[in-house]
Amino acid sequence: AQKVTQAQTEISVVEKEDVTLDCVYETRDTTYYLFWYKQPPSGELVFLIRRNSFDEQNEISGRYSWNFQKSTSSFNFTITASQVVDSAVYFCALSGNAGNMLTFGGGTRLMVKP
Amino acid sequence: AAGVIQSPRHLIKEKRETATLKCYPIPRHDTVYWYQQGPGQDPQFLISFYEKMQSDKGSIPDRFSAQQFSDYHSELNMSSLELGDSALYFCASSRQGGELFFGEGSRLTVL
Repeated sequence: AQKVTQAQTEISVVEKEDVTLDCVYETRDTTYYLFWYKQPPSGELVFLIRRNSFDEQNEISGRYSWNFQKSTSSFNFTITASQVVDSAVYFCALSGNAGNMLTFGGGTRLMVKP
Repeated sequence: AAGVIQSPRHLIKEKRETATLKCYPIPRHDTVYWYQQGPGQDPQFLISFYEKMQSDKGSIPDRFSAQQFSDYHSELNMSSLELGDSALYFCASSRQGGELFFGEGSRLTVL
């Protein structure tokens, strides 16, 4: 069975601080995909990134960066210089193949205060 | 770019009533997924369709049914509604093996 754990249920930071959201996963699949989604107060799920299990290279996209450590089964997400608009619930998710039957973590609610 | 379209966006029903949610996938996407997100919960996979055939089934109650039509749109039918069915229902679409894109969700409130 697959499992995704986001130990941080809620994080509060002040604008311009850096913040890291943790994600730990469990799977027996040798090929799998990891995702991060953002859910702002309006409710939609916004795709942020997909990473396959064979690509451990870290990725940076603007203020966002992701650290994939297969050895520790972690896929952490860092926001640099956080902004109020980053306030949302962030979900880490896992699938055994691309885009199919996502297993979500419990989500981390990030609150960025001005 | 066209996104996944869900309707209605909001729906209020009484207990024991029936509700139908519709999903229009991104053009040329052949796979549709339904997820249910209860208040304060993470999304839970319900069911998926590939080329109009059911491909996977998750925690979908027997009171719920779904299908994908020839134009690839999908409908989720929910009968004998219960208070616990109040949730945000997401539809997502993808090309087979491709990235998953979610719609904005349909919020169902059962009174």
